[in-house]
Amino acid sequence: GAVVSQHPSWVICKSGTSVKIECRSLDFQATTMFWYRQFPKQSLMLMATSNEGSKATYEQGVEKDKFLINHASLTLSTLTVTSAHPEDSSFYICSARGRGNQPQHFGDGTRLSIL
Amino acid sequence: AQSVTQPDIHITVSEGASLELRCNYSYGATPYLFWYVQSPGQGLQLLLKYFSGDTLVQGIKGFEAEFKRSQSSFNLRKPSVHWSDAAEYFCAVGQNSGNTPLVFGKGTRLSVIA
Repeated sequence: GAVVSQHPSWVICKSGTSVKIECRSLDFQATTMFWYRQFPKQSLMLMATSNEGSKATYEQGVEKDKFLINHASLTLSTLTVTSAHPEDSSFYICSARGRGNQPQHFGDGTRLSIL
Repeated sequence: AQSVTQPDIHITVSEGASLELRCNYSYGATPYLFWYVQSPGQGLQLLLKYFSGDTLVQGIKGFEAEFKRSQSSFNLRKPSVHWSDAAEYFCAVGQNSGNTPLVFGKGTRLSVIA
């Protein structure tokens, strides 16, 4: 089946640094990618949707300058958390969908801890 | 707007007992329905999905779910729960193409006791 690889799986960094999370579709072309955020014991909340080669569409309340999303190719999307602070600590999950009638495939998530 | 309601935040069942997790949805078009399971600190694993056809769908790990259009429900069931089934379960609704993402319910945490 379709595989989505997310890297890193866990990252700890100091407050003020920027962190990049990669999401790759390994065996299909991901025309659309979705980024979700999940706080402890809560559900997944959509942050943004991106199409290859286009700017991402952010959900209400998500700071586009804080969470930079790049979807430059059909197999790679990145989420960069800029100037991260402890309140940005969360579990981030990417999801990718190919052309046509295709389901969403999920990565295994990235646990981000900001000290 | 589409939404998913999982009325039960936490359910505890005895090992070997039957299980039913409830899911109700609101969706403007014919929905695609999914159940995912998530263990602590892990990603999502797809248990089963419903697109069309037979309203009773079978999934992995012995789970099944029944789509009831009249009740806007897609409840997940398992006849005999194992201790390893303890996890968080999410119901989701969406489409199967384009820019429409899946919308998730708040989840139901399942605890299994001996």
